[in-house]
Amino acid sequence: KAGVTQTPRYLIKTRGQQVTLSCSPISGHRSVSWYQQTPGQGLQFLFEYFSETQRNKGNFPGRFSGRQFSNSRSEMNVSTLELGDSALYLCASSAGTVNTEAFFGQGTRLTVV
Amino acid sequence: SQELEQSPQSLIVQEGKNLTINCTSSKTLYGLYWYKQKYGEGLIFLMMLQKGGEEKSHEKITAKLDEKKQQSSLHITASQPSHAGIYLCGADRWFGEKLTFGTGTRLTIIP
Repeated sequence: KAGVTQTPRYLIKTRGQQVTLSCSPISGHRSVSWYQQTPGQGLQFLFEYFSETQRNKGNFPGRFSGRQFSNSRSEMNVSTLELGDSALYLCASSAGTVNTEAFFGQGTRLTVV
Repeated sequence: SQELEQSPQSLIVQEGKNLTINCTSSKTLYGLYWYKQKYGEGLIFLMMLQKGGEEKSHEKITAKLDEKKQQSSLHITASQPSHAGIYLCGADRWFGEKLTFGTGTRLTIIP
């Protein structure tokens, strides 16, 4: 069974640009959640999608958005990039929404210059 | 704010020795996850605990959730270089978030 796939693995963008990251969950999983990891703030929850609906959103500005498609694949978008958006972005997939095992992808390393 | 504290923050252990990492919560845990992360990479799922007093083992790693469901420990027996990395505990469904993570414990194994 294939694991969680995130693309691309690495990205370099310039301040002010926008970026789209992709996450393909494990087959049959309908829940996808996104996290930002930085040395200073650790791992922080961005948002969660289940069956194409956003269930929860973390404390991030509106520049961070996401969506989920009917095949459960998810994308997150960051507009008007800032230097502070440089981070490792991780997505996790799980079969359900509560107390179900959550499996992570390898992450996308975003560098904003 | 982070209400899931891990201790110690870093740990240096000689190969072959046992070690324990703790994860303490300010409130009841309804689902507690343990993950391992190699630097700059994704999180590897280790175990999920849900019931008070629950204990799970996989190879040389054992995780426990106390009866009050406010503290979990991760114990590694006869540590190996492959155990090196950052260990993270995560609480399920705090503040509506899918996972709220602890501060992490960086484990170094010395040959």
